[in-house]
Amino acid sequence: DIQMTQSPSTLSASVGDRVTITCRASQSISRWLAWYQQKSGKAPNLLIYDASSLESGVPSRFSGSGSGTEFTLTISSLQPDDFATYYCQQYHIYPPYTFGQGTKLEIK
Amino acid sequence: QVQLVESGGGVVQPGRSLRLSCAASGFTFSSYGMHWVRQAPGKGLEWVAVIAYDGSNKNYADSVKGRFTISRDNSKNTLYLQMNSLRAEDTAVYYCAKDAIAVRPGWFDPWGQGTLVTVSS
Repeated sequence: DIQMTQSPSTLSASVGDRVTITCRASQSISRWLAWYQQKSGKAPNLLIYDASSLESGVPSRFSGSGSGTEFTLTISSLQPDDFATYYCQQYHIYPPYTFGQGTKLEIK
Repeated sequence: QVQLVESGGGVVQPGRSLRLSCAASGFTFSSYGMHWVRQAPGKGLEWVAVIAYDGSNKNYADSVKGRFTISRDNSKNTLYLQMNSLRAEDTAVYYCAKDAIAVRPGWFDPWGQGTLVTVSS
């Protein structure tokens, strides 16, 4: 199975900050990676697919990059609504589809 | 709009069974692969099972293989998860999720609101 590792596990930041979350795969997954945002008590919501394609309706301050084994999710200017937990997910070799352990973005 | 609504969760004793349902609307259900993903309290996301658009192919996480069965009724636009021999470690919120694109399995969009399963004596 492909293991996905996110860093950091927790990130403290302020409104207006630029933040980056990293996701590493245990082997190459080409560009077959998605990012989700999950707010407390809610279902995950798709942000990015194919490593860098922005889902319709998602604000342009979110962007994704990377290929192979290393990927990043960047929020260019944090808004109050962005404080949540973020997960990466690979879909290169499945089953199983695998997720990172999550990155909790907190208000500093 | 596309909507997925799970039901069937609750409190169940270890070793017992439970069946979850996911009612789909707003899209051609019979054209999409469907998934179950779970999240234990305070933990991350764990993919559980997938079923092809026509039910012809099913796959499971090792943690549930042989105990859980995914199925679908395309005439009722409904996805199911039959969970047998439940264990305490199966306690989680269970989400159903749709393959985002019919012809290209990969990422999930949207997800249902989830249903909580608690396995406890």
